[in-house]
Amino acid sequence: GEDVEQSLFLSVREGDSSVINCTYTDSSSTYLYWYKQEPGAGLQLLTYIFSNMDMKQDQRLTVLLNKKDKHLSLRIADTQTGDSAIYFCAVETTTDKLIFGTGTRLQVFP
Amino acid sequence: SQTIHQWPATLVQPVGSPLSLECTVEGTSNPNLYWYRQAAGRGLQLLFYSVGIGQISSEVPQNLSASRPQDRQFILSSKKLLLSDSGFYLCAWSAQGNQPQHFGDGTRLSIL
Repeated sequence: GEDVEQSLFLSVREGDSSVINCTYTDSSSTYLYWYKQEPGAGLQLLTYIFSNMDMKQDQRLTVLLNKKDKHLSLRIADTQTGDSAIYFCAVETTTDKLIFGTGTRLQVFP
Repeated sequence: SQTIHQWPATLVQPVGSPLSLECTVEGTSNPNLYWYRQAAGRGLQLLFYSVGIGQISSEVPQNLSASRPQDRQFILSSKKLLLSDSGFYLCAWSAQGNQPQHFGDGTRLSIL
């Protein structure tokens, strides 16, 4: 079955860029998503990319997709303390189901 | 606009007691509905999903069940809770056909 991997932790200084990486195994995935989870809360959809795209930019967020390497990344420019959260990569299967990574905990320090 | 509501937000139950968590969606019709569990420090595990009233697919064998009595209502139940049922339960909805999933605020369930 589909497997989605993320590193567990990332620590960055406020104002720097953050890059969160994700790898997946199913090359037939159609949509790939990034969600943000703040402590004790549900998941907030940040952005998503269709599998025929290489890049998508939305304000401070840039998503890069390398379909050949099955690698997805989320870049957050000018990272702020409010960006501290867990970020989940999710890959859509052909049956409208999502497979989630284990999440990357982003810590932003002053 | 569409909204999703889950309740209760937190729940403490003794082992062996029953469970009923409710999720409702407003502002859309015929959504796909999903129940996930998130164990502490872990990713999300899909428990059940539904593409229509009375249509439930179970992803993992377990002590829980789900029902969809109305188009926009999804209920997670158990007859007898186990310690291992503790976790953070999230409901989500999506429109039909490769659309993003949108999540509720979750229910934190603690079993004593």
